[in-house]
Amino acid sequence: AQKVTQAQTEISVVEKEDVTLDCVYETRDTTYYLFWYKQPPSGELVFLIRRNSFDEQNEISGRYSWNFQKSTSSFNFTITASQVVDSAVYFCALSGLIQGAQKLVFGQGTRLTINP
Amino acid sequence: DTGVSQNPRHKITKRGQNVTFRCDPISEHNRLYWYRQTLGQGPEFLTYFQNEAQLEKSRLLSDRFSAERPKGSFSTLEIQRTEQGDSAMYLCASIPKWIMNTEAFFGQGTRLTVV
Repeated sequence: AQKVTQAQTEISVVEKEDVTLDCVYETRDTTYYLFWYKQPPSGELVFLIRRNSFDEQNEISGRYSWNFQKSTSSFNFTITASQVVDSAVYFCALSGLIQGAQKLVFGQGTRLTINP
Repeated sequence: DTGVSQNPRHKITKRGQNVTFRCDPISEHNRLYWYRQTLGQGPEFLTYFQNEAQLEKSRLLSDRFSAERPKGSFSTLEIQRTEQGDSAMYLCASIPKWIMNTEAFFGQGTRLTVV
């Protein structure tokens, strides 16, 4: 069975601090995809990044960066110089092809609060 | 295209009543998913449609739940004889056809409160 664990339930930092959100996953699939989504108070899940299991290159997009380490089954997300607008719940998710469906298995989420 | 649209955004109902939610996916997205999100938890998969065919249902989807996607466009999720445990956010997502493992596009969800 697939499983995603986000051990940090809530994180609170002061604006401009760097913050890392942890994500650990379990799967028996050899091919799988990892995602990060942001959920602001409005409720909509906003896609941030997708990474496939064969690509362990780290990725940077502006203030966001992702560290994928297959050896430790982790896909951590770092926000550099955090801003108040980054406050949201962040979800890590795992996808494999099950009966052709691409269903997502989500972690419990990390509520990030950036204080001014 | 304005994205995935869900209606209503909020629904309060009395226990035992039936409710129906609607999801309009992004046009030409042939895959549609329903997820349920309870407070403080991540979304959980409920069911999946490819065009009008319902191809997978989670064991979370009890007999009181039914989903349809007539003509492969919009979808409805009905809950019969609602219970307080059904209170949750119901999220719909769609994915473009012929693109595997791309990101899912989510709607803003329908928040159901059963009193």
